[in-house]
Amino acid sequence: GDSVTQMEGPVTLSEEAFLTINCTYTATGYPSLFWYVQYPGEGLQLLLKATKADDKGSNKGFEATYRKETTSFHLEKGSVQVSDSAVYFCALRAAGNQFYFGTGTSLTVIP
Amino acid sequence: DAGVTQSPTHLIKTRGQHVTLRCSPISGHKSVSWYQQVLGQGPQFIFQYYEKEERGRGNFPDRFSARQFPNYSSELNVNALLLGDSALYLCASSNPGLAGGELFFGEGSRLTVL
Repeated sequence: GDSVTQMEGPVTLSEEAFLTINCTYTATGYPSLFWYVQYPGEGLQLLLKATKADDKGSNKGFEATYRKETTSFHLEKGSVQVSDSAVYFCALRAAGNQFYFGTGTSLTVIP
Repeated sequence: DAGVTQSPTHLIKTRGQHVTLRCSPISGHKSVSWYQQVLGQGPQFIFQYYEKEERGRGNFPDRFSARQFPNYSSELNVNALLLGDSALYLCASSNPGLAGGELFFGEGSRLTVL
C-alpha cells in the first residue's frame, strides 16, 4: 500500500546551519507530495508541495524536489532560524484523495 | 476568510463514554477529512466525506463514525471510548478538483480518555 517514510528525529541545529530532512515514498500511480509543518499546540500547515515528477516546491526558504527515480521528496533549507523549530511531516496524496503522512521529524534550532 | 474551525478544542472523557467532535470547513470546500494524531506520530486517516457521502475510511473500528451536513460541516463520533483513543483529532477541508488539492487543517480537538 501507499506509505511515507521520513527521517527519524529529533534534529538539533545551530542557527544558520543547513537542514535536510529525508523523505521517501511508496505509491501506486503518480501521487502529489507535500511537506506540512506543525508548531507546538497548533494544527498542520502546508509548507510546500509538488504535483508531478521533477517539480520543485518552495516556500519560506525551504525547498523539496519530487524525484520519481528515487521516490524521494527531501526537504532542505540553506540557513535555518530559531523560528523554524517545529515538527515537519512529509505526506503524499494517493488516488481517491486520501493522504498518508510520515511520522514527523522534530527540529530544534538553537541560537 | 475563516479557516477550518473545530470544537471543542480540549475535552476529557472517561472510558466507555461517547464523544462528538465538530468541524466547519473553509467556505467553498466540499470535502472534509478526519485524522487521528497520537502523540509523537503523524496523522492517521479516519474518514473522508465529499458532498455528504463517505468517500474513504481508514483502518479504524466501527466505534468511529462520521457524517457531513448539507452546509458541508462535519461531525466525528466515537463510542465506547478506550484509553487508546486519547489523541489530537484533526479535521481538514479541501477542494479535490483543484490542482494540488492540499488539505487545510484546523487546530484540532485534543481528547483525553481517563
